[in-house]
Amino acid sequence: NAGVTQTPKFQVLKTGQSMTLQCAQDMNHEYMSWYRQDPGMGLRLIHYSVGAGITDQGEVPNGYNVSRSTTEDFPLRLLSAAPSQTSVYFCASSYQPGGMNTGELFFGEGSRLTVL
Amino acid sequence: GENVEQHPSTLSVQEGDSAVIKCTYSDSASNYFPWYKQELGKRPQLIIDIRSNVGEKKDQRIAVTLNKTAKHFSLHITETQPEDSAVYFCAAWTSYDKVIFGPGTSLSVIP
Repeated sequence: NAGVTQTPKFQVLKTGQSMTLQCAQDMNHEYMSWYRQDPGMGLRLIHYSVGAGITDQGEVPNGYNVSRSTTEDFPLRLLSAAPSQTSVYFCASSYQPGGMNTGELFFGEGSRLTVL
Repeated sequence: GENVEQHPSTLSVQEGDSAVIKCTYSDSASNYFPWYKQELGKRPQLIIDIRSNVGEKKDQRIAVTLNKTAKHFSLHITETQPEDSAVYFCAAWTSYDKVIFGPGTSLSVIP
């Protein structure tokens, strides 16, 4: 049981490049989300999904796209990387039987992205 | 939009003393309030949580209280130990299934 797996763990991009951060979970969780963590600003929600085929915007969605074609995967796409997107990104999932949130978010190990 | 405030941003206590971290939230329909601990270089992990139908919950040395009328909740750690040193985040599940985190409190326990 791997839990939540994020790849890559480290990435360096040049301004304007695009890339995808991968997130997969093997716990059959319906709820998945992406956060970015910057010093002094906590965890800020980028996008989230309550099930396959459903996505919604969080607090800081600009510059990022997501899709949820399967229950297991929730990739985060950076369309045209900017230095302001330098951050640590966390994917998280949660079990929501019948749409009721059970609460606990299970986090991946994080992906450290640097945009030059 | 939804917002969670957290105070203090840094907290330093002597080993054995108590630590208290306070949070306020804006969405009155929020019904679930977890607390996460993040050690340096690690992922956040749940340490305790409370639902809106409960006023207080305790788990060994940690406890959480909730005041729904005032829209604030607090984390209490008693008999602090050096291994309690970490960043602590409060969070609120909003009525739109967004989980909004506070900015974090860096707790240092001095031996």
